[in-house]
Amino acid sequence: GQQVMQIPQYQHVQEGEDFTTYCNSSTTLSNIQWYKQRPGGHPVFLIQLVKSGEVKKQKRLTFQFGEAKKNSSLHITATQTTDVGTYFCAGRWASGTYKYIFGTGTRLKVLA
Amino acid sequence: DGGITQSPKYLFRKEGQNVTLSCEQNLNHDAMYWYRQDPGQGLRLIYYSQIVNDFQKGDIAEGYSVSREKKESFPLTVTSAQKNPTAFYLCASTLLAGEGNEQFFGPGTRLTVL
Repeated sequence: GQQVMQIPQYQHVQEGEDFTTYCNSSTTLSNIQWYKQRPGGHPVFLIQLVKSGEVKKQKRLTFQFGEAKKNSSLHITATQTTDVGTYFCAGRWASGTYKYIFGTGTRLKVLA
Repeated sequence: DGGITQSPKYLFRKEGQNVTLSCEQNLNHDAMYWYRQDPGQGLRLIYYSQIVNDFQKGDIAEGYSVSREKKESFPLTVTSAQKNPTAFYLCASTLLAGEGNEQFFGPGTRLTVL
């Protein structure tokens, strides 16, 4: 079945260090979304990538969609304690159906 | 205030009992989703609905049932056939028109079966 693999599962960084999480699909995606879930909370939408090779930035966050639309990454520059949480990607395959499959998530801890 | 609500926040049930989780949205969203999240795990899709009176199974639909009689409501019933029902259940909705399609999540219901 359709799966999205996400790595790493956990990441501990010192405050100020950079952080990257990666998502991979074995087949071409229609689009991919990224969400952040704070401890004890619910996922909150960050961004959607649709086009091949697309790069979007939100302040210290940079999102990329691969040329083949099979992989994506989220990079945080100079992490802060407010970045703590679990980051999920969610992939959609076929246009016309709005079913999303979530990756297993990367749990980020930032040490002050 | 526009948003998506789930009730109750915490729910305890005895093994063998069916239980229904509520999900309501006043965002005029077309599609609604139910996900299950286990500790330290990602979100797994149970059911989703893109239009009233229609819904599709997700990856782990066994032991669950849903209905979509109104656009605003998408209740999930956890039946006694679900072998491991204790989990965090999240409901989400999205507007299908346009390119956005971001999913708005409710606060979740934490179900514990004793």
